[in-house]
Amino acid sequence: NAGVTQTPKFRILKIGQSMTLQCTQDMNHNYMYWYRQDPGMGLKLIYYSVGAGITDKGEVPNGYNVSRSTTEDFPLRLELAAPSQTSVYFCASSFGGQVANTEAFFGQGTRLTVV
Amino acid sequence: AQKITQTQPGMFVQEKEAVTLDCTYDTSDPSYGLFWYKQPSSGEMIFLIYQGSYDQQNATEGRYSLNFQKARKSANLVISASQLGDSAMYFCAMRAWVGSQGNLIFGKGTKLSVKP
Repeated sequence: NAGVTQTPKFRILKIGQSMTLQCTQDMNHNYMYWYRQDPGMGLKLIYYSVGAGITDKGEVPNGYNVSRSTTEDFPLRLELAAPSQTSVYFCASSFGGQVANTEAFFGQGTRLTVV
Repeated sequence: AQKITQTQPGMFVQEKEAVTLDCTYDTSDPSYGLFWYKQPSSGEMIFLIYQGSYDQQNATEGRYSLNFQKARKSANLVISASQLGDSAMYFCAMRAWVGSQGNLIFGKGTKLSVKP
């Protein structure tokens, strides 16, 4: 099983550049999440989606955009990259709805450096 | 608002001993789930254990158990018989449903170091 696949694994961006972090899952999960993890810190929720066509902001959405056109894919777009966006980004997915006992499955992470 | 608090930035434990990692949470939702994840130095997130707010018994998974005290809003992870491979970051997380539509939020983590 592929699970949650993120690409790329590493990326260096220059200030002001844009990029899209790709995330796809093959578990037919309706919920998908994007987190960022700064060094020595926990995970902060950027955006999440409860199903195709539905997205919502998390704790730290500024500077990012998402879309969810299919159940499988949940790309994260960085516009005008800034050094403050240097971080490790994780995509995750889970079953959702009124079933709280479903763990989230995580991708391997994308290490992004903005210089 | 929901919140997860892990007050121990770092912990040391001797190999083969038990260790407790603390986690307190705050939510006004009656239905919620509590999770623990392990993040080794390689960076991946590994699910360890789950506890539901309506579960009557504490969850156990092998050497992991969750000490759930609902009135105190705490969900501490207990690792028995620590092994060197348990050295990692451990994150407590919570998902609630009524007000947050299933957000999964994380604490800041505890770095566990197992000494030989």
